[in-house]
Amino acid sequence: GENVEQHPSTLSVQEGDSAVIKCTYSDSASNYFPWYKQELGKRPQLIIDIRSNVGEKKDQRIAVTLNKTAKHFSLHITETQPEDSAVYFCATGGNTGKLIFGQGTTLQVKP
Amino acid sequence: SAVISQKPSRDICQRGTSLTIQCQVDSQVTMMFWYRQQPGQSLTLIATANQGSEATYESGFVIDKFPISRPNLTFSTLTVSNMSPEDSSIYLCSVVLQGGAGELFFGEGSRLTVL
Repeated sequence: GENVEQHPSTLSVQEGDSAVIKCTYSDSASNYFPWYKQELGKRPQLIIDIRSNVGEKKDQRIAVTLNKTAKHFSLHITETQPEDSAVYFCATGGNTGKLIFGQGTTLQVKP
Repeated sequence: SAVISQKPSRDICQRGTSLTIQCQVDSQVTMMFWYRQQPGQSLTLIATANQGSEATYESGFVIDKFPISRPNLTFSTLTVSNMSPEDSSIYLCSVVLQGGAGELFFGEGSRLTVL
């Protein structure tokens, strides 16, 4: 069945450093790859997404890269700030609209 | 964006009882889904709520345990039946908005604790 593997499960960085989270997927029909940020006690919020017709997308300090051949995609956060501390989830989707989520990465940014 | 309201936001329930969660969206919606998030875990898709017809359930979830209704485009209910402590979770309604780019947005979630 569909499977999304996310690594690492926890990540601790110093403020100002970069953070990278990686996901691999199994379903070759996947064509939509969003990333969500979930702060403690809150709902998941979409922060960036990419579709399979592009390889990279950037929005200020965050970027996502996609390698469809290798079936993996990554989230890059530069110049991390304490407010970036949260749980980040990758997901994959196809034409049905439903998403399959990775296991999540707890990011801690130390001041 | 849209306002996706869920009720109740939280509840404490007794084993063996059932609880219905409501989801109301203030914009037109193309697709609605229900997810479960167990404590400290990821999001697991329960089912796709289909307007005017039976929901489409994912592997491991059945209609008798999680009956879902979607009488119109913007409203859906999820019932958690015959609850046990293992059902203690956050249940999240999620939608794809009409006229959007296909992004999935989440309601605030309903946190259920089963004693």
